[in-house]
Amino acid sequence: DSGVTQTPKHLITATGQRVTLRCSPRSGDLSVYWYQQSLDQGLQFLIQYYNGEERAKGNILERFSAQQFPDLHSELNLSSLELGDSALYFCASSVEGGALSDEQFFGPGTRLTVL
Amino acid sequence: ILNVEQSPQSLHVQEGDSTNFTCSFPSSNFYALHWYRWETAKSPEALFVMTLNGDEKKKGRISATLNTKEGYSYLYIKGSQPEDSATYLCASQPDNYGQNFVFGPGTRLSVLP
Repeated sequence: DSGVTQTPKHLITATGQRVTLRCSPRSGDLSVYWYQQSLDQGLQFLIQYYNGEERAKGNILERFSAQQFPDLHSELNLSSLELGDSALYFCASSVEGGALSDEQFFGPGTRLTVL
Repeated sequence: ILNVEQSPQSLHVQEGDSTNFTCSFPSSNFYALHWYRWETAKSPEALFVMTLNGDEKKKGRISATLNTKEGYSYLYIKGSQPEDSATYLCASQPDNYGQNFVFGPGTRLSVLP
């Protein structure tokens, strides 16, 4: 158990809908990262937040957005969902997120299925 | 565009065999190289973070080396056990600010008893 929690574990929804994925980092970690793993693809970095502010952006679609709250939990919002958005979404956290090459601890993931 | 490659794509070894696989990454703008172990139905688990050329890290039977000048890292497993079966991912961290990790596709290791 990495100490990073993600909810829900599974999510099934229809095209065009909007969903919110939630992540709670390890106690004391300031940085949260979101990753997407689609079928037959490796992990794709989406976005990073550090202490409430966006720190880095990767291959995140405009239909997706994220935020980190004062209690450091983070939410990833996916809207106008398409079939191709079906994937495993991981959240990871780290202590610093930039000043040091500190390791990331991954949550169990949320499996999103868009029908 | 940063491209991280791993080889082989998959590997089957017998219990007790030693094995190794490769991660290749662009050597320019390099900051750190991360190795992860990812078991089926679980989440990735960090193994090593390596930053310096010539770095060598070890955790039990698993070790890794780093060559930042030529842009590659090797992961070695000595005396493979069935519980080592997993996908081994490497990720390149190209700059300090932003930690925009780029992951390789992974090497899937199966250790047969």
